[in-house]
Amino acid sequence: GDSVTQTEGPVTVSESESLIINCTYSATSIAYPNLFWYVRYPGEGLQLLLKVITAGQKGSSRGFEATYNKETTSFHLQKASVQESDSAVYYCALGESAGNYKYVFGAGTRLKVIA
Amino acid sequence: GALVYQYPRRTICKSGTSMRMECQAVGFQATSVAWYRQSPQKTFELIALSTVNSAIKYEQNFTQEKFPISHPNLSFSSMTVLNAYLEDRGLYLCGAREAGNNQAPLFGEGTRLSVL
Repeated sequence: GDSVTQTEGPVTVSESESLIINCTYSATSIAYPNLFWYVRYPGEGLQLLLKVITAGQKGSSRGFEATYNKETTSFHLQKASVQESDSAVYYCALGESAGNYKYVFGAGTRLKVIA
Repeated sequence: GALVYQYPRRTICKSGTSMRMECQAVGFQATSVAWYRQSPQKTFELIALSTVNSAIKYEQNFTQEKFPISHPNLSFSSMTVLNAYLEDRGLYLCGAREAGNNQAPLFGEGTRLSVL
């Protein structure tokens, strides 16, 4: 079936350090999966951080970026310099682009950025 | 802007009783609404997808008899957890999207259900 595996948290990083959260996927029932990173800040709902619908493309938002790599079936999230405000839970997900938008989420990675 | 509100944010119910939660789309037409559950120590599982004027499609392990969903118009959906037990506790998320819109769905903040 379809699945998403991501870095097991919690991950603790010092402010201004770089970050990478790994995400790999398996899409057996979705021919052309779209890939997403969602973020959930404390006390808030799930927010879309970035989305890439075409293999080989890179998405970026708020200093974060992720490249859709079909060869390695990966979609790692990276940021060059994190801030305390980036502390949150990050979810990698894959989904269909149209019609039934069934999403498959990873387990989530809790990130804590310390000053 | 477009937003999704969920109500209530938190709720507690006694084992064996039922709990109704609501999802309101503001600023766009929620043609499709998906309900997810995040159980403790687990990720988000899709419960069902509801599209206006179409049958509600439930995922494996979730049934209409247990999680009846109403989607009467383009701005509102509700789901009830019937006969709730401990395994039903968790965070219930509503995600809504407009037809023909290839954007990712907007999610509410969720309803956190505790069962005593």
